[in-house]
Formats: sequence, structure tokens, C-alpha cells
Amino acid sequence: AQSVTQPDIHITVSEGASLELRCNYSYGATPYLFWYVQSPGQGLQLLLKYFSGDTLVQGIKGFEAEFKRSQSSFNLRKPSVHWSDAAEYFCAVGAWGSQGNLIFGKGTKLSVKP
Amino acid sequence: DVKVTQSSRYLVKRTGEKVFLECVQDMDHENMFWYRQDPGLGLRLIYFSYDVKMKEKGDIPEGYSVSREKKERFSLILESASTNQTSMYLCASRGNMNTEAFFGQGTRLTVV
Repeated sequence: AQSVTQPDIHITVSEGASLELRCNYSYGATPYLFWYVQSPGQGLQLLLKYFSGDTLVQGIKGFEAEFKRSQSSFNLRKPSVHWSDAAEYFCAVGAWGSQGNLIFGKGTKLSVKP
Repeated sequence: DVKVTQSSRYLVKRTGEKVFLECVQDMDHENMFWYRQDPGLGLRLIYFSYDVKMKEKGDIPEGYSVSREKKERFSLILESASTNQTSMYLCASRGNMNTEAFFGQGTRLTVV
């Protein structure tokens, strides 16, 4: 069955510290992958996406993610977190060549300490 | 700028009422989706539509129906609202293959 796992429900980091949010997927077909961010009471905004090619992808707001096929992972990173990064982050996977539904993880809530 | 617009940010309805949640997209996308979001459960797919008048059940369709009479509009209907349908509802749209989904701002529905 297709699934996305975000092992960390809640993470707290200090402002200026580095960040890594984990995402593992289980998908039979060639996947394409996304990270979304959701501020409180808002919809989801796309941070970055991976379809093919370079396995390190850059996104908005200084985020990047690396696709590792051997580990079925697509971890999100940021070298220096800002207080405005506090939000909930969702990893999602879709099947290559499909226009159907994306499968979402349950999300990781990020808190930032001053 | 691409846009998915949900008709209400907040709704309060009474148990047993028929509730309509409206979603409009301006990107000429074929695919539209309704999700429900609850704490600790992430996003769960209720219904999606890949064309006008076409619909497919998602993971939790019970108690809901949908309507897509025009390409740009996808409505979620709660036939008889119940308190366990109190939740955040998110609409999304996607183009054809290998594209991302665009989300609306969400509707926070409270059923009392």
C-alpha cells in the first residue's frame, strides 16, 4: 500500500539552528515528491517538489530537500531557522504519470524557540 | 497568480442541516479534491473529481457527497451535518500528470 511516514509529530528548534524534517515513503511506482507548509488556520503552500533529475532540490524560503531512492526518503532541510518558519509541514507523494490523488503524511509541527 | 478559493473561512451549522462548501479554481485544472484535516490525522481524502460530472470516492466519503457541474467549481455537500463532521476542510486542484496540487485557504466548519 502507498504511504508516507513523517516520524516526528512535533519538533522544537532554536532560532538560527539547523533543521531536518524526515519523510519516508512507500510507493510501488516511480514517485514524485513534495513538501508543503501550513501556517495556522491557512491552506497548504508548496515549498518544493521533486520529479526527476538532480536529487537535491531547492525550494522557497531557503528550504531544500534530498531524494534518496535507496532509503525511500525525502528529508527537508534548512540551515538556519527563522521564527517565521514555525508551522506544520507535510510531505506528499504522487505516482509518476498519474493525475490522481497525492498521498500525504500526517505532518510535523515545528516550533521555534527565540 | 494561481488561485483556489473556498467560499467561507468559518462556518457554524446546526446538527441535521444540509451544508454546502464551495470551491472555485481559476487554473483550468482537470482534477479537484476535497480533504478533511484533523489534528494528528493529517489530510484525509473525501472525494475527488477528474472531470466535469465525474467523481471518485476517497478514503472517508461516508456522510458526504460532491458536485461538479462546471470545470472550475467543486462543491462538497454534507447531507445531514453531524458533530463528528466538525473539522477543517481543504479544497485542492491539480492539472494533468506530474504536477503539484494547489490548495484553498480552508473552511473551518463547526457543527453544534
